[in-house]
Amino acid sequence: GENVEQHPSTLSVQEGDSAVIKCTYSDSASNYFPWYKQELGKGPQLIIDIRSNVGEKKDQRIAVTLNKTAKHFSLHITETQPEDSAVYFCAASTNNAGNMLTFGGGTRLMVKP
Amino acid sequence: EAEVAQSPRYKITEKSQAVAFWCDPISGHATLYWYRQILGQGPELLVQFQDESVVDDSQLPKDRFSAERLKGVDSTLKIQPAELGDSAMYLCASSLAIIGDTQYFGPGTRLTVL
Repeated sequence: GENVEQHPSTLSVQEGDSAVIKCTYSDSASNYFPWYKQELGKGPQLIIDIRSNVGEKKDQRIAVTLNKTAKHFSLHITETQPEDSAVYFCAASTNNAGNMLTFGGGTRLMVKP
Repeated sequence: EAEVAQSPRYKITEKSQAVAFWCDPISGHATLYWYRQILGQGPELLVQFQDESVVDDSQLPKDRFSAERLKGVDSTLKIQPAELGDSAMYLCASSLAIIGDTQYFGPGTRLTVL
């Protein structure tokens, strides 16, 4: 089955700096890659997603890039703010798996004011 | 904005007791998922429904866990008997369709087994 690795497990940045979180996946058939933000005591909230037919997608301060050849994708957050502090999860799925998401282990992002 | 509803938000029980969690997906969403999230880890799928039918329950410990979605709308996840290792966050998610569609998560139920 699919295996998703996520790095780093913790990331501390200064407010205003950029943050980058990287994920690799094992199943070349995976074609959908969402990113979720999870705040303490809450469920994961979708922040951005990308499908395998595009290489990059941007939404204001958040961008995701996908390299299908290398089987890795990354989340980029620019101009970080204290409210960006949370745990971020990447995930991957294939249509063959009935939309089942396989999640990475998570990255705890801390933005210091 | 429509949201996935879950209850209870917190549950404390003793081992060997039975517990049940309820989920109401976003209106119109045909696909419903139950995930388990152990502290410090990513969610792991337990069971997936398409309408009232189970699509995938390969990771559901069927000796103690059961899930149903009788009318194809809300769903119940049950654990009987609960074990210490079942302490985790139980998350429900829903999506409009089954193939390549965005999954929206509820707030989860935090289970503590003593």
